[in-house]
Amino acid sequence: DAKTTQPTSMDCAEGRAANLPCNHSTISGNEYVYWYRQIHSQGPQYIIHGLKNNETNEMASLIITEDRKSSTLILPHATLRDTAVYYCIVRREGGGADGLTFGKGTHLIIQP
Amino acid sequence: NAGVTQTPKFRILKIGQSMTLQCAQDMNHNYMYWYRQDPGMGLKLIYYSVGAGITDKGEVPNGYNVSRSTTEDFPLRLELAAPSQTSVYFCASTKRAQSYNEQFFGPGTRLTVL
Repeated sequence: DAKTTQPTSMDCAEGRAANLPCNHSTISGNEYVYWYRQIHSQGPQYIIHGLKNNETNEMASLIITEDRKSSTLILPHATLRDTAVYYCIVRREGGGADGLTFGKGTHLIIQP
Repeated sequence: NAGVTQTPKFRILKIGQSMTLQCAQDMNHNYMYWYRQDPGMGLKLIYYSVGAGITDKGEVPNGYNVSRSTTEDFPLRLELAAPSQTSVYFCASTKRAQSYNEQFFGPGTRLTVL
């Protein structure tokens, strides 16, 4: 699985869009980008994933660059409840049953 | 659905004691996982199971054992607790038909070994 690089922490004002970057310059053609988040003292929560097209769901949008070497998770109207650690994971679809590899992620702090 | 449930929420053990962390899911998921998370770090896979009667080691299996007698339950056993096993333990599950990468996590068990 390709390695990812994320900033350690970010701040965002409540009500503004939070843009979380992730670099994955060694991503392979059959690998997807997945995002999870972990609110303090809770288990991780799946947010969204994509291959090469931009994706949107009720939680967030995922923008993947054309060369697929980086991506951005967008929370369009951040609230205080979005304060969490966000993990970017690159893995092939199916990926095998042997679990996910979590790095340290980005600690997003939403400021009131 | 209750999703993935874990008991207990908190536990303090003395060195050398044993205990079982319970995990259950009611979503009829085939795949189940145990992770541990040390302070400030990401999750690391301990063991996983692809179905009843089938288990396999993850990245950090030493000091732990698992069993999977039913689809719903996946208990994690610590036989001789050590301070290095102080951590938060998360159980997760996913359907075989879906991507293995969309996992549902339980609320965690916070374990301290003194």
